[in-house]
Amino acid sequence: DARVTQTPRDKVTEMGQEVTMRCQPILGHNTVFWYRQTMMQGLELLAYFRNRAPLDDSGMPKDRFSAEMPDATLATLKIQPSEPRDSAVYFCASGLSSAAGTQYFGPGTRLLVL
Amino acid sequence: DQQVKQNSPSLSVQEGRISILNCDYTNSMFDYFLWYKKYPAEGPTFLISISSIKDKNEDGRFTVFLNKSAKHLSLHIVPSQPGDSAVYFCAASGGNTPLVFGKGTRLSVIA
Repeated sequence: DARVTQTPRDKVTEMGQEVTMRCQPILGHNTVFWYRQTMMQGLELLAYFRNRAPLDDSGMPKDRFSAEMPDATLATLKIQPSEPRDSAVYFCASGLSSAAGTQYFGPGTRLLVL
Repeated sequence: DQQVKQNSPSLSVQEGRISILNCDYTNSMFDYFLWYKKYPAEGPTFLISISSIKDKNEDGRFTVFLNKSAKHLSLHIVPSQPGDSAVYFCAASGGNTPLVFGKGTRLSVIA
């Protein structure tokens, strides 16, 4: 049963600390997305990759967020330094070829920055 | 500027009745529309989609209707079941641009 995995599932940290979230996309999927879910904004696209190359990261605060794909089986989202307003659920999703096609979501990382 | 709007944050329906969830969009370039369902502490899961060349797509108890002239789509669930209680997200895309999601509607099906 192929699925997207994310670690950690929950993270509590203090303001100013670095946070790293990891995602393993479904094997064979070549498009990977990072989303943030908040009550106010719903699901916001932060960044996405195709064949490990970043295509769009305009949704991310550039000064503190960074997203990478070190290899085809791992995507990372880092926040440094973290701030209380970063508290949200972060989802990774993967899909085939088209950015517009069906995406398969991981269970999310719930981040709380104190 | 929200391109995909779900104006009802929540909806309650009796078990066995029809649930109708609505979604409006503003971008006339959108040509592919999807609905996702999300349970607490889980990621959204794909439910049903429709291309702009169609006005209806049905999958079991779920039917999506698309009205392009009104830039409106709706998801019908018949009959509604308690297990359908979840948050439903509408999403849209055009060309090869990423999906744009609405803020979601929380459906409660009451037994």
